[in-house]
Amino acid sequence: GAVVSQHPSRVICKSGTSVKIECRSLDFQATTMFWYRQFPKKSLMLMATSNEGSKATYEQGVEKDKFLINHASLTLSTLTVTSAHPEDSSFYICSASVIAFTSTDTQYFGPGTRLTVL
Amino acid sequence: AQTVTQSQPEMSVQEAETVTLSCTYDTSESDYYLFWYKQPPSRQMILVIRQEAYKQQNATENRFSVNFQKAAKSFSLKISDSQLGDAAMYFCAYRSAQNAGNNRKLIWGLGTSLAVNP
Repeated sequence: GAVVSQHPSRVICKSGTSVKIECRSLDFQATTMFWYRQFPKKSLMLMATSNEGSKATYEQGVEKDKFLINHASLTLSTLTVTSAHPEDSSFYICSASVIAFTSTDTQYFGPGTRLTVL
Repeated sequence: AQTVTQSQPEMSVQEAETVTLSCTYDTSESDYYLFWYKQPPSRQMILVIRQEAYKQQNATENRFSVNFQKAAKSFSLKISDSQLGDAAMYFCAYRSAQNAGNNRKLIWGLGTSLAVNP
């Protein structure tokens, strides 16, 4: 149980284009999803927290107009990188939070998306 | 603000031996959760073990166990009978037990890279 999928796994795009990444909880309903960015050999950097049906909460320093997050249902959240530039190239990971299963609020992670902006 | 410190950037262990990864944290809260996550070369983040601070008993999951010392704010991970598949980056993480606002996000350590030698 507690499987999270992410699509696409890899994407290459031209500078100035927008890219959408989907995060789905496959076998549970996630009230909260989290979006992270990870640089090589580094820890995860939280970008935003997404609650179903409400606006995402962005971490300090993350541009909300550049990284658009939509959490339309209890199983789907999307991250859109708008007008992507080479500095946006990174590994993006989502996680989904399960409260219903256990009293411990545990995050389960998707496999990540490698974004390369040319 | 809470912090998580992993003081060992790299560790190595011989196959079938036991290794302990260190994690310390700083918090003024009395109720919280602690996690160890594993990130193998595939970069899929996998939950290894979790511990509720109110529980005195150390959590165990097969070959993985923790030594939770609440007063010392220490949460080390012991891997017994190490296997080649245990080679990965290991991250320690803290989460407040409060659910309101931004408290559900994980506070991450910088990680420990574990190599398993055959």
